[in-house]
Amino acid sequence: KQEVTQIPAALSVPEGENLVLNCSFTDSAIYNLQWFRQDPGKGLTSLLLIQSSQREQTSGRLNASLDKSSGRSTLYIAASQPGDSATYLCAVSPWHAGKSTFGDGTTLTVKP
Amino acid sequence: GAVVSQHPSWVICKSGTSVKIECRSLDFQATTMFWYRQFPKQSLMLMATSNEGSKATYEQGVEKDKFLINHASLTLSTLTVTSAHPEDSSFYICSASPSARGTGELFFGEGSRLTVL
Repeated sequence: KQEVTQIPAALSVPEGENLVLNCSFTDSAIYNLQWFRQDPGKGLTSLLLIQSSQREQTSGRLNASLDKSSGRSTLYIAASQPGDSATYLCAVSPWHAGKSTFGDGTTLTVKP
Repeated sequence: GAVVSQHPSWVICKSGTSVKIECRSLDFQATTMFWYRQFPKQSLMLMATSNEGSKATYEQGVEKDKFLINHASLTLSTLTVTSAHPEDSSFYICSASPSARGTGELFFGEGSRLTVL
């Protein structure tokens, strides 16, 4: 059974700092890995999708990497802003229409 | 990106009544949609997989007679909470993946907050 772990559970940083969020998974037989952002009381917003054959994806100040063999992914946020404050979740899927397994998330607070 | 719309955003109902929540993919077709439940400060709990034109697949412990799922078209899935009770109060979210892309990328609705009095 796939298990996804996100460390740390919570993180507080001053504005402008670069930071890394971690995601690990136990079964390396994944189809893709996806990073999401969730604001309080809202649905999830897709940030980055990494297919199993890819090593990283970038979007603006966000960069996600994937090391499938070691079961790890990182989400790098550059020059953090207060607007980045949210809960970040990662999820892995075993195939393109399969059920994804979600981590419990990392709650990020960026202080002005 | 792709847009998934969920309606209503919030609903308050009396105990014993039924509530229907809609999940629509606005600009893509989705053979499969997923329904989740989320408790405060917790991650998503998958309730069921909604399959267009066939019965939904429920996760262990989810009462299929209480949480009725219908996926009548490639752009619409509905979740009906039947005979709702206060313990059914929760945040319900749906997700869908564009069938044509084949990437498996999930797009989520805005969520529906259900409060049962």
